[in-house]
Amino acid sequence: GESVGLHLPTLSVQEGDNSIINCAYSNSASDYFIWYKQESGKGPQFIIDIRSNMDKRQGQRVTVLLNKTVKHLSLQIAATQPGDSAVYFCAENIQDGNKLVFGAGTILRVKS
Amino acid sequence: NAGVMQNPRHLVRRRGQEARLRCSPMKGHSHVYWYRQLPEEGLKFMVYLQKENIIDESGMPKERFSAEFPKEGPSILRIQQVVRGDSAAYFCASSPSSLSLSGNTIYFGEGSWLTVV
Repeated sequence: GESVGLHLPTLSVQEGDNSIINCAYSNSASDYFIWYKQESGKGPQFIIDIRSNMDKRQGQRVTVLLNKTVKHLSLQIAATQPGDSAVYFCAENIQDGNKLVFGAGTILRVKS
Repeated sequence: NAGVMQNPRHLVRRRGQEARLRCSPMKGHSHVYWYRQLPEEGLKFMVYLQKENIIDESGMPKERFSAEFPKEGPSILRIQQVVRGDSAAYFCASSPSSLSLSGNTIYFGEGSWLTVV
C-alpha cells in the first residue's frame, strides 16, 4: 500500500546549526514530493517541492534531496532559527494521482 | 491575492448535530481537497473535487460525511450527526489543476477545528 514514514519523530538542534529531516516513502510510482511546515494551530505551509526527474532542489535556506533508488527524501535547513520550530511533513503524490499522502511528521525544536 | 480561506476556524457541536465547513480556494484554482488531522497525527486525505464533480472520495467515511464544490460558491464539507470521534482539524487545500502537471502545487488553508461535546 501507500505509505510515507519519517525516521525521527523529534529533532532538537541548536540555533545556527543545520537541520536535516528525513522521510522514507514506499511507493515507487510517486513522482512528486512536497515538504510542509506546520505551526501549532495553523495549516500546513508549503516549503519546497521536487519532481521525480530531479534529485536536488534549493530554496531560501532549504534544500530538498530525493534519492529514488532507496526511496528517501530529506529536507535540509541551513542556519536553523527559532522560527523554524514546527512540525515538518513530507508528502508524496502518486503518478497521475491527485491525492497527497502525508507522513506522520517530525517535530523540530530549535534551542537558543 | 488571498490564500485558501476556510470558515469557521473553530466550531463546537453537540453530538448528533450537523457541522458544515466551508472552503474558498485560491483565486484561479479549480481543484479542491479536504484533509482531516487528528491531534499529533499527519493529515489524512478525505476527498478531491473539481467544480461540480467529486473526483476521488476514497478517504471519506461512507456514512454521515459528504462534500460538494458547486459551480458558484465555496466547497462545503458536511458532517451529519456528529460524534466525538469527528473532533479534529479539517483542512482544505487547492491547486490550479492536476498535481501531475509540472508547475502545479497544492496550498492549504488554516483549517477548521471541530470539537464535538
